[in-house]
Amino acid sequence: AQSVTQLDSQVPVFEEAPVELRCNYSSSVSVYLFWYVQYPNQGLQLLLKYLSGSTLVKGINGFEAEFNKSQTSFHLRKPSVHISDTAEYFCAVTDRSGTYKYIFGTGTRLKVLA
Amino acid sequence: DSGVTQTPKHLITATGQRVTLRCSPRSGDLSVYWYQQSLDQGLQFLIHYYNGEERAKGNILERFSAQQFPDLHSELNLSSLELGDSALYFCASSVSLAEQDTQYFGPGTRLTVL
Repeated sequence: AQSVTQLDSQVPVFEEAPVELRCNYSSSVSVYLFWYVQYPNQGLQLLLKYLSGSTLVKGINGFEAEFNKSQTSFHLRKPSVHISDTAEYFCAVTDRSGTYKYIFGTGTRLKVLA
Repeated sequence: DSGVTQTPKHLITATGQRVTLRCSPRSGDLSVYWYQQSLDQGLQFLIHYYNGEERAKGNILERFSAQQFPDLHSELNLSSLELGDSALYFCASSVSLAEQDTQYFGPGTRLTVL
């Protein structure tokens, strides 16, 4: 069975500063990894996903994430945040064995301060 | 706009009642996923349908059931409702069966059980 841990429930950061949102996963099999963003009163939107190949994945809105197999991490980063990045961010995992079950982390609320 | 529609947007009902939530996937998408988002449980995967057939079950209670119709829309039925069933219910769709496909989320149905 898989699990996902998002270590920070809230991350405040000043506008134009860099940010890293942490995600660690646990799985006995190979996985696919995802980051989603949820703006207030909206559904989730995919930011990026790691399937295979290069461990550095670039997504929308200037976000990127790095897959680290040895540390079982998939941290999300952005070099310079904007007020509009204020939202909740979810890390998710599913295994490659055809179970089609998606496990989400508890979310990290990013608050960008002016 | 993800192209996924959910109705109704809000639903208020009483304990013991039964409700039906409806989801229309993006045009051409064959997979539909249902999720429950609550403050205490976070985002939980409930069930996955592909082209009318159930493919995976997550943390779905026996009081809950779903189906996907020939026109690919899906319904989630919740019965014998309890206060703890109050939550946001999202559906998402993807183009095929592949776990790595991007899921597109609808805006959600907010269920309040009084």
